Amino acid sequence: GAGVSQSPSNKVTEKGKDVELRCDPISGHTALYWYRQSLGQGLEFLIYFQGNSAPDKSGLPSDRFSAERTGGSVSTLTIQRTQQEDSAVYLCASSSPGTRTGELFFGEGSRLTVL
Amino acid sequence: GQQLNQSPQSMFIQEGEDVSMNCTSSSIFNTWLWYKQEPGEGPVLLIALYKAGELTSNGRLTAQFGITRKDSFLNISASIPSDVGIYFCAGHKGPGSSNTGKLIFGQGTTLQVKP
Repeated sequence: GAGVSQSPSNKVTEKGKDVELRCDPISGHTALYWYRQSLGQGLEFLIYFQGNSAPDKSGLPSDRFSAERTGGSVSTLTIQRTQQEDSAVYLCASSSPGTRTGELFFGEGSRLTVL
Repeated sequence: GQQLNQSPQSMFIQEGEDVSMNCTSSSIFNTWLWYKQEPGEGPVLLIALYKAGELTSNGRLTAQFGITRKDSFLNISASIPSDVGIYFCAGHKGPGSSNTGKLIFGQGTTLQVKP
């Protein structure tokens, strides 16, 4: 497809389980971002990948959160030992080389519910 | 984490009315952006502002980058039903950051338009 693709769109899990969320960025976009949107809140930056550079992990809330990007394209966000406060919509965004600051293309998000 | 102060939190207006929302911060930002999010979708960029004092229009939307670099506003003229959604302001600290997509978001303004 032409846009950022995320899966699953919805995930319900039990407290303590691990979850994986996937993002497929727009073809040709070298930069990839993960954001978290809690209910009624704005978006919170989690992690940034740019080409082969070391990722900017400064937004990850705890060591239970990790992400990788294989082959410079698809990214997976992993949350280990999920907690109820992890419930949120996880949004992925990408941008192409040379785009101006802040010009991001977002996917539809993965809604995570931790029971 | 740090968030921008966005107001109002919600608005319910009549079709045809003009709308104004704003965003403030206690610290300086070098880029201000306005995104719109519709239900079940990711945010979409509406307007980006890169210079203090800049006034930019996109159709019925007008946004300004405050001269102090600590605020921005968005106006929507002659609202229509498809303007419904959540509007987010976002800021980027810059310059000097290689992560041009690391944004700080406001809490959002939910707009409802009555036909």
